[in-house]
Amino acid sequence: EVQLVESGGGLIKPGGSLRLSCAASGFTFSDAWLSWVRQAPGKGLEWVGRIKSKTDGGTTDYNTPVKGRFTISRDDSKNTLYLQLSSLKTGDTAVYYCTSGIYWGPGTLVTVS
Amino acid sequence: DIVMTQTPLSLSVTPGQPASISCRSSRSLLHSDGKTYLYWYLQKPGQPPQLLLSEVSNRFSGVPDRFSGSGSGTDFTLKISRVEAEDVGVYYCMQTIQLPITFGQGARLEIK
Repeated sequence: EVQLVESGGGLIKPGGSLRLSCAASGFTFSDAWLSWVRQAPGKGLEWVGRIKSKTDGGTTDYNTPVKGRFTISRDDSKNTLYLQLSSLKTGDTAVYYCTSGIYWGPGTLVTVS
Repeated sequence: DIVMTQTPLSLSVTPGQPASISCRSSRSLLHSDGKTYLYWYLQKPGQPPQLLLSEVSNRFSGVPDRFSGSGSGTDFTLKISRVEAEDVGVYYCMQTIQLPITFGQGARLEIK
């Protein structure tokens, strides 16, 4: 069974930093392109960014609102995806999901206040 | 960025009746590889999104055949042939032909 489970969310002050993790199982993690998608309270879905598989270059892409502040990385030996959030703003308050496009984790809430 | 526009944003449907949601993109989602990079998701209350359809019309494993997708280029439609109570939630279309990946605003389906 495929599972993605995010962790690391919480309450953080503006300007602060946080690292989210997404533990994966049930599929070949190293082959997967993975994204982070966020959802502000009561709002729609917003793509944050993605990381390609290492065999496809392992490169990252980001949406404009987070470029330069957020960093996506992966540890294929641990089947874990990361999202480093820095210079946080109140507008970054959201549930953050990791996704393969097909499978999604339950999300972790980040509150910037 | 490609803008994805869904209509209607809200619909109330009697169980057993059909429902339809439109998604229009600001540029064609047809890639030179012949594929059209349009996806549909359903987000049920309190849950993460779940994939319904990929590349316009390919139902994901376990998705009931009452869900179907059609369209091409910039205009797409998700149809539910006979709505059931478990279909409530917000439906999103998403494009992946161009970065940033973008979603429609979401269309909320409720049961009458």
